[in-house]
Amino acid sequence: KAGVTQTPRYLIKTRGQQVTLSCSPISGHRSVSWYQQTPGQGLQFLFEYFSETQRNKGNFPGRFSGRQFSNSRSEMNVSTLELGDSALYLCASSGPGQGIDGYTFGSGTRLTVV
Amino acid sequence: QKEVEQNSGPLSVPEGAIASLNCTYSDRVSQSFFWYRQYSGKSPELIMSIYSNGDKEDGRFTAQLNKASQYVSLLIRDSQPSDSATYLCAVNRKTGNQFYFGTGTSLTVIP
Repeated sequence: KAGVTQTPRYLIKTRGQQVTLSCSPISGHRSVSWYQQTPGQGLQFLFEYFSETQRNKGNFPGRFSGRQFSNSRSEMNVSTLELGDSALYLCASSGPGQGIDGYTFGSGTRLTVV
Repeated sequence: QKEVEQNSGPLSVPEGAIASLNCTYSDRVSQSFFWYRQYSGKSPELIMSIYSNGDKEDGRFTAQLNKASQYVSLLIRDSQPSDSATYLCAVNRKTGNQFYFGTGTSLTVIP
């Protein structure tokens, strides 16, 4: 079956702009989580959506937001971009057995802010 | 204290040796534990999961869990250069259904 699809793969944006990233989970998975990965900080949890509702949220400023649609596809938005937002953004989907099966990650979107 | 801690390495082992990766976690109610492998420039991929105390073997990989001591380890036998990657430990707590990741251990297998 198809894996987790993230688009776009690469983005270059200018400080102050906003960006929207997209994630399509594995068919049947209703939970979508977003992570930011940087060399110094590792994987940092942004938020999790389940059935169109934000279920968990990490410690990121309000510039980072997300949503989930009825087909479980999710988008993440970052407004007023800062240089420090440059990172690999990973989406992970999980099904009902996520405590057992873990996550499946997408290929990620590499965002560069200049 | 971080939820999940790993030695960042780098850890270098010769080809054919056993690589041992360790992880400790802070919350005793953690229920399931995972090891992910991440190649440079790629996304993490799940290689092992473990839920009960003891060992779990899958090919050249063995995961070990000790809930009393709150640690998880991953052994890679007959290490190959293709095992060179960063290994991430992840812990899932039923409360909040959230995963916590360590910062990863970089492993290099020297031919």
